[in-house]
Amino acid sequence: GESVGLHLPTLSVQEGDNSIINCAYSNSASDYFIWYKQESGKGPQFIIDIRSNMDKRQGQRVTVLLNKTVKHLSLQIAATQPGDSAVYFCAENIWGAQKLVFGQGTRLTINP
Amino acid sequence: EAEVAQSPRYKITEKSQAVAFWCDPISGHATLYWYRQILGQGPELLVQFQDESVVDDSQLPKDRFSAERLKGVDSTLKIQPAELGDSAMYLCASSLAGMWETQYFGPGTRLLVL
Repeated sequence: GESVGLHLPTLSVQEGDNSIINCAYSNSASDYFIWYKQESGKGPQFIIDIRSNMDKRQGQRVTVLLNKTVKHLSLQIAATQPGDSAVYFCAENIWGAQKLVFGQGTRLTINP
Repeated sequence: EAEVAQSPRYKITEKSQAVAFWCDPISGHATLYWYRQILGQGPELLVQFQDESVVDDSQLPKDRFSAERLKGVDSTLKIQPAELGDSAMYLCASSLAGMWETQYFGPGTRLLVL
């Protein structure tokens, strides 16, 4: 079965607010995680990644936090824009597998 | 910017018919992946090629699905016969050899089986 999943299937935020998308994983041997953004009618697009030896990684307006103790991953998007509306997936790699296992996805809607 | 190309973008077929999808990876990408994405779920890896060789097809339903990459460039995924449960988005992705973390996805082929 799936070892990666998301807490919430949908999330609505006001434009300009910050959003947090969560992801739980169950395999303690997972050593690499990626967040993808998928807009309607398009394939997934890489946002940010993090390895298990890190707790936090920042990109442009995005931050990924990894809590290995509770097997939890989050994606924070600062100052959300209409273009951030999409479905967001987390994906993990189990050590040695060298392939990605995707979670279910969260639909983020930005309200004007 | 180079992109992964897929065709067709949409396909409607009747159950028991054969259907085929085509993918052209980014030039120079030795590794090619086919994923299936059921509506509302994340992509699931079906098959992975390294050049023309299959390196992982553990999740490919081999009784009805087949995939080939004869010259190690473009690839075809076939379903015969199609079943209602095959309705999904079929995504192709590619990466440089050994760079499995950095996969570039195509726009996908959305299949509807009636």
